Amino acid sequence: DGGITQSPKYLFRKEGQNVTLSCEQNLNHDAMYWYRQDPGQGLRLIYYSQIVNDFQKGDIAEGYSVSREKKESFPLTVTSAQKNPTAFYLCASSTLSDGRNSPLHFGNGTRLTVT
Amino acid sequence: AQKITQTQPGMFVQEKEAVTLDCTYDTSDQSYGLFWYKQPSSGEMIFLIYQGSYDEQNATEGRYSLNFQKARKSANLVISASQLGDSAMYFCAMREVDTGRRALTFGSGTRLQVQP
Repeated sequence: DGGITQSPKYLFRKEGQNVTLSCEQNLNHDAMYWYRQDPGQGLRLIYYSQIVNDFQKGDIAEGYSVSREKKESFPLTVTSAQKNPTAFYLCASSTLSDGRNSPLHFGNGTRLTVT
Repeated sequence: AQKITQTQPGMFVQEKEAVTLDCTYDTSDQSYGLFWYKQPSSGEMIFLIYQGSYDEQNATEGRYSLNFQKARKSANLVISASQLGDSAMYFCAMREVDTGRRALTFGSGTRLQVQP
């Protein structure tokens, strides 16, 4: 079955450590996205990529980094510069060919806790 | 200004009744798309329904319909015949096509609780 896989589901880290969240898709989608969700709030865009080896900052990119070396993969690194890293992180993908109506397909998320 | 506003943090509805979840948006683009997602307590985001800015008819998908009022910039989700499994967070989102950014901007969500 096609879909988006995020791993791990839960992640615990000590403050000051960098951590990388994995996101893999087999939907053959060109675009991939990372969102952050805090309790009781909506999703905020961290980074997105519309083509391999290219990505753009979203609304809250500070303290995060990404890479897009393969079409299928879009890992997110939460660096020690991110002041409040504890959150639920969602990866998504979409086609680029449908104009304005292609929905985002989401993974099941990674819940990161930093203490 | 908020691009997507959902003014109802929480809503209750009786099973089998209809419920409307409000969404207003703000954009200067002529071409845009509006989406609704459902997020159960497990966390996954489930796409429900889409409405394009040029669509003349309101979108419908099974028990979900979108009440699109372009002049008022509102895109309310209507769930008919509510079921217990409809209890979840619901998010309204927008894609502004003219900007070229494919990412969606989300509202803060509405928590719907369906009561037996």
